Amino acid sequence: DTGVSQDPRHKITKRGQNVTFRCDPISEHNRLYWYRQTLGQGPEFLTYFQNEAQLEKSRLLSDRFSAERPKGSFSTLEIQRTEQGDSAMYLCASSPPPAGDSYEQYFGPGTRLTVT
Amino acid sequence: AQTVTQSQPEMSVQEAETVTLSCTYDTSESDYYLFWYKQPPSRQMILVIRQEAYKQQNATENRFSVNFQKAAKSFSLKISDSQLGDAAMYFCAYGGATNKLIFGTGTLLAVQP
Repeated sequence: DTGVSQDPRHKITKRGQNVTFRCDPISEHNRLYWYRQTLGQGPEFLTYFQNEAQLEKSRLLSDRFSAERPKGSFSTLEIQRTEQGDSAMYLCASSPPPAGDSYEQYFGPGTRLTVT
Repeated sequence: AQTVTQSQPEMSVQEAETVTLSCTYDTSESDYYLFWYKQPPSRQMILVIRQEAYKQQNATENRFSVNFQKAAKSFSLKISDSQLGDAAMYFCAYGGATNKLIFGTGTLLAVQP
């Protein structure tokens, strides 16, 4: 299967620790997105890459959050000094360059973060 | 700013029956896309159906169809011949010039055998 993959699928960490998540998009997709989803809510946009360039960041992305996509392929999302409010599902999605009707985003399985 | 509203937190349908999930949105953009995504319990989100705003014809994918009313900014999803596997959270999403998707709060659909 060549869908979007995320690692790890689950992460439990103590408050104050740093965590890093990885996302591998579908290979020909040049756009990559990170979303956060809390229980009972829809996903909320965090940040977006086109190739290796980070083009947009949400106000939700505080200074403790950083995302990279160094070679325009996989991406990492790091949270420093985690807080209990960071507990959520972190979703990655990718999409191909806009061409005709190809506009949808394909989602990975997510990384569920629990901060204790 | 664009917003998406799903006013039905939960819906229930009998197997083989038809159900309609509602979604309204607000935007000042003229060119955009609308999506319905399905998120089964503990499983990843998958695209159900997509509608381009410039197309007047309502999108259809097998048992899934939409009723797109651009002037009313309404985008409802109809599921015909409901199956047990349709039970999931359904999210309506807006995609515009900014590339990011804006999601509603979701509708949890239960399918009764």
